[in-house]
Amino acid sequence: QVLLVASGGGVVQPEKSLRLSCSASGFTFKSYAMHWLRQAPGKGLEWVAVISSEGATEYYSDSVRGRFTISRDNSKNALFLQMSSLRPEDTAVYFCAKDRAFYDIGFVAYWGQGTLVTVSS
Amino acid sequence: DIQMTQSPSTLSASVGDRVTITCRASQNINSWLAWYQQKPGKAPKLLIYEASTLERGVPSRFSGGGSGTEYSLSINSLQADDFATYYCQQYNGYSFIFGPGTKVDI
Repeated sequence: QVLLVASGGGVVQPEKSLRLSCSASGFTFKSYAMHWLRQAPGKGLEWVAVISSEGATEYYSDSVRGRFTISRDNSKNALFLQMSSLRPEDTAVYFCAKDRAFYDIGFVAYWGQGTLVTVSS
Repeated sequence: DIQMTQSPSTLSASVGDRVTITCRASQNINSWLAWYQQKPGKAPKLLIYEASTLERGVPSRFSGGGSGTEYSLSINSLQADDFATYYCQQYNGYSFIFGPGTKVDI
C-alpha cells in the first residue's frame, strides 16, 4: 500500500532555512506527480507546491513562490521541500502527498502523515 | 485567483441524519473539485473527485454533485465515524485552492 513518510521538521528561527524530505513506497514513484501541502495549527489546509513525475515542471502557491523549492529524486523514491527565508506564518504541519494522475498533474489523492515546522525566535 | 467558500462552517447532526455541505467557487471550475475528510491529528483522506466520482473504498453513503461554481457533498445516514472536518478543493489549472472547511459534529 502507499506509504509516505515526511521528515525534517523542527524549530527554526525566522529568515533561516529548512529542508523537508518525504520517503515514498508502495507505488511506482517516478510515474506520479507529488505535492506538498500544509496546515497551520488549528487552521485549514493549504496547498504549497507540486512537481511533475519527471521533475521537469513545478508550481507553487503565491505564499511560498520564490522562497520554497520542491524537488525529487526518482532513484531514491524521495521528495523534498527546501524552505528558505522562513516566516512565523510558515509554522504548520507539512504533508507530502501523491497525485492521482499517471504521468500528469491532476489532484491530491493520497496524503502521508505530516511533519511539524515551527518558525520562532 | 479562484476563491473557494464553504457553508456551513459548522454543522451539528445526529447519527442517521442526512447532511449536505455546499462549496462555491468564485469562477467556473468545470467540476474539477475534490472533497476530503480530516479527523483530528490525522492526514486528510480523499472522498470524491471530479465533483461526483466516489474514491475507491469510500462508503456509498457519501455523494457529490454540482457544476460550474456550486458543488455539494452529501452524507446519507450519518455514522459515528463521519464526524470530522470536510474540505473541498478545486484543481482547475495548476493551483489547488481549498475551501475553509466544514466541521460536522454531534
